[in-house]
Amino acid sequence: DIQMTQAPSSLSASVGDRVTISCQASQPISNSLNWYQQKPGKAPELLIYDASKLETGVPSRFTGSGSGTDFTFAIDSLQPEDIATYYCQQSDNLPPSFGQGTRLEMK
Amino acid sequence: EVQLVQSGAEVKMPGESLKISCKASADTFPTYWIGWVRQMSGRGLEWMGMIYPGDSDTRYSPSFQGQVTISVDKSISTAYLHWSSLKASDSAMYYCASATEGPYVFDIWGQGTMVTVSS
Repeated sequence: DIQMTQAPSSLSASVGDRVTISCQASQPISNSLNWYQQKPGKAPELLIYDASKLETGVPSRFTGSGSGTDFTFAIDSLQPEDIATYYCQQSDNLPPSFGQGTRLEMK
Repeated sequence: EVQLVQSGAEVKMPGESLKISCKASADTFPTYWIGWVRQMSGRGLEWMGMIYPGDSDTRYSPSFQGQVTISVDKSISTAYLHWSSLKASDSAMYYCASATEGPYVFDIWGQGTMVTVSS
């Protein structure tokens, strides 16, 4: 199974900050990497798929990059509604594993 | 657009059986994978398995193989997650999710079903 490791596990930032989260796969997964946002008490939502493609309706302040084993997720100009836990997930092969999550809090 | 509506919260005793459901709104139901994801309280997301309604092809995570059964009824656009004998450790939120943009890219999620197993 492919292991996904996210860093940091939590972070605190202020409105307007640029926030970055990293995700590393235990073996190369090409660009088969997706990012989800989960707000408290809600189901996850897909933000970015195939490493860098923005899901329809997702604000452009969310971006993704990377390929192979190392990936980055960024939020430009953090907004209060971005407070959530973010997960990466590989979709290269079975089982489609998730990272452990990054909890984003407002400073 | 596809919408997934899950069955309501359940409270069960250890050893009981349970089947929870996930109903899709779209006529295209047979043409994309439906997966199940577990989230234990305060924890992350765990992929359990998925089914392709068109031919009932089913895949399981090794961690959940033999512990649950995933099935589908195409005639009513509904997928199911079934336990034959619940354990306290099955207490969790369970989400179904569709993969319309690729087999393992979960773009549409149900609202979740909370399962509590307690004596």
